[in-house]
Amino acid sequence: AQSVTQLDSQVPVFEEAPVELRCNYSSSVSVYLFWYVQYPNQGLQLLLKYLSGSTLVKGINGFEAEFNKSQTSFHLRKPSVHISDTAEYFCAVNFLTQGGSEKLVFGKGTKLTVNP
Amino acid sequence: EAGVAQSPRYKIIEKRQSVAFWCNPISGHATLYWYQQILGQGPKLLIQFQNNGVVDDSQLPKDRFSAERLKGVDSTLKIQPAKLEDSAVYLCASSPKGYGYTFGSGTRLTVV
Repeated sequence: AQSVTQLDSQVPVFEEAPVELRCNYSSSVSVYLFWYVQYPNQGLQLLLKYLSGSTLVKGINGFEAEFNKSQTSFHLRKPSVHISDTAEYFCAVNFLTQGGSEKLVFGKGTKLTVNP
Repeated sequence: EAGVAQSPRYKIIEKRQSVAFWCNPISGHATLYWYQQILGQGPKLLIQFQNNGVVDDSQLPKDRFSAERLKGVDSTLKIQPAKLEDSAVYLCASSPKGYGYTFGSGTRLTVV
């Protein structure tokens, strides 16, 4: 079955500390991988995406993620967080079938809270 | 380029009433999606269109939800009759291919 798992529902950290938000997926087909951020009462904003090539992907706001095919993971990292990074983060996987169809599935989200 | 437009932004209705949401995707984007995001959860795919044909509606509660995409452009999502558990943000997204998703700001529905 195709599924996306975000292992942590909430992650509290202190300002300027590093953070890693975990994402694993289950798939028997090719995938594209995404991380989205959602600030309170706002829409989804794309942070970064992996389509092919280098497994280390850099996104906006200093975030990066690494695709690990053997572990079917796509963890999001930032070396030093700011108060303004407080938001909900969603991992999403686009499952691609040989027939050409696709399906974008989201994880349940991780609420990142950055404390002063 | 203009983004994905959705209206209305907010809607409050009583249970058993009907409601409709509208989405105008980015010009040229063949694929259009409707997602339901319940508070505290990730978006759940309701229906996916490729041009004006339905690709996936396996998670659409067809007894009360319906959607159409006329002429492969704009789309409407309807709920009739609404239930309390339908309270959520309804997100529309479009993409030219599988890696260029753009989301609208969503419609926040409250059913009382």
